[in-house]
Amino acid sequence: DAGVIQSPRHEVTEMGQEVTLRCKPISGHDYLFWYRQTMMRGLELLIYFNNNVPIDDSGMPEDRFSAKMPNASFSTLKIQPSEPRDSAVYFCASSPFFADLSTFGSGTRLTVV
Amino acid sequence: KNEVEQSPQNLTAQEGEFITINCSYSVGISALHWLQQHPGGGIVSLFMLSSGKKKHGRLIATINIQEKHSSLHITASHPRDSAVYICAVANTGNQFYFGTGTSLTVIP
Repeated sequence: DAGVIQSPRHEVTEMGQEVTLRCKPISGHDYLFWYRQTMMRGLELLIYFNNNVPIDDSGMPEDRFSAKMPNASFSTLKIQPSEPRDSAVYFCASSPFFADLSTFGSGTRLTVV
Repeated sequence: KNEVEQSPQNLTAQEGEFITINCSYSVGISALHWLQQHPGGGIVSLFMLSSGKKKHGRLIATINIQEKHSSLHITASHPRDSAVYICAVANTGNQFYFGTGTSLTVIP
């Protein structure tokens, strides 16, 4: 298995632009998590899905953030419009069960200028 | 107050030393995780614990549910163990809380 695959690895965009981050979880994992990591706040859980259904999005910072999981093998995290304070590393992870060991993707480093 | 507290924040050790990183939490949990993040940025899940002790190579993780405390031990530390170690807990309401991490540097 190739693990959790995220794209792009790096994204630089101008303030106000739409940004879409992509994630392919491990096949057979029923849970998918989106995290954000910054120096100031550390690692934060933004949203997680169970069997493609969003279960808890209480970590999503604002309405500018949205996430979808149209099928078991693909998820997106969208920021529209992006702001400089959204600059962070965004990780996607998947696991067979909620509290089980997760496999993390390599992350997307987002810079909004 | 953070639901998960780690100590120390920073730790420098000589190669070969025995290392302990501590994690205390204040919520009822279904599981506790230890994560490792190397300077390159990738995150690896090391352990998931709900009771007792787990061992993988030179790494040992223990948890005391009554005391709401977990420790991560590294025996015979090596420079390649240099990383940030993050404690995370999943509470009984299916929420995750993260510690701020312990930055470990092992000097040859």
